[in-house]
Amino acid sequence: QVQLVESGGGLVKPGGSLRLSCAASGFTFSDYYMSWIRQAPGKGLEWVSYISSSGSTIYYADSVKGRFTISRDNAKNSLYLQMNSLRAEDTAVYYCARVINSNDSSGYILYWYFDLWGRGTLVTVSS
Amino acid sequence: SYELTQPPSVSVSPGQTARITCSGDALPKQYAYWYQQKPGQAPVLVIYKDSERPSGIPERFSGSSSGTTVTLTISGVQAEDEADYYCQSADSSGIVVFGGGTKLTVL
Repeated sequence: QVQLVESGGGLVKPGGSLRLSCAASGFTFSDYYMSWIRQAPGKGLEWVSYISSSGSTIYYADSVKGRFTISRDNAKNSLYLQMNSLRAEDTAVYYCARVINSNDSSGYILYWYFDLWGRGTLVTVSS
Repeated sequence: SYELTQPPSVSVSPGQTARITCSGDALPKQYAYWYQQKPGQAPVLVIYKDSERPSGIPERFSGSSSGTTVTLTISGVQAEDEADYYCQSADSSGIVVFGGGTKLTVL
């Protein structure tokens, strides 16, 4: 069964840390870019970060740059998000998602979207 | 990065056609994608590359593009289509942008 399952969410105090995991199954994980996307309560979707299939290319949204670290272990079919210096505004459901993308020969993005999402894990930052 | 603008809400009666727009300066250069999200559930891709429909998505869902605006059209709206809809695009380096979302209400 093709699926993504997130874990690791919970309640953490401001300034604290948390590590999210995403377990992939049913497809060749190492073939795909992966991403984290979050959704604050009652709000819209916000892209957080992505990592290339090999892990060599990583991008972050400005809102988390310097505080969050994305990584992957292709041998374990797993994606991670290390979140440090957490703030109240980081409170959200965090989804991992599989990326479908293609670049041209100069690296220009031709298409980029998310075709498979996990059910999400809730992170609450509160004292 | 850039922004994608959606109307906060759209309301239609069952059987009518719902149109949800998404505007952004980069849309003439980059594809748009649409996701449906029902309460308490993860988003589901309903349109990719402006107008392509993934397998398993009903034919009543369609997408179109004109200049800086893309449109998700749901023909013959059903009660089960009531949900939030998000458009999404990406800039040339893969930085992803989502629209603010549109709540579709089926009256």
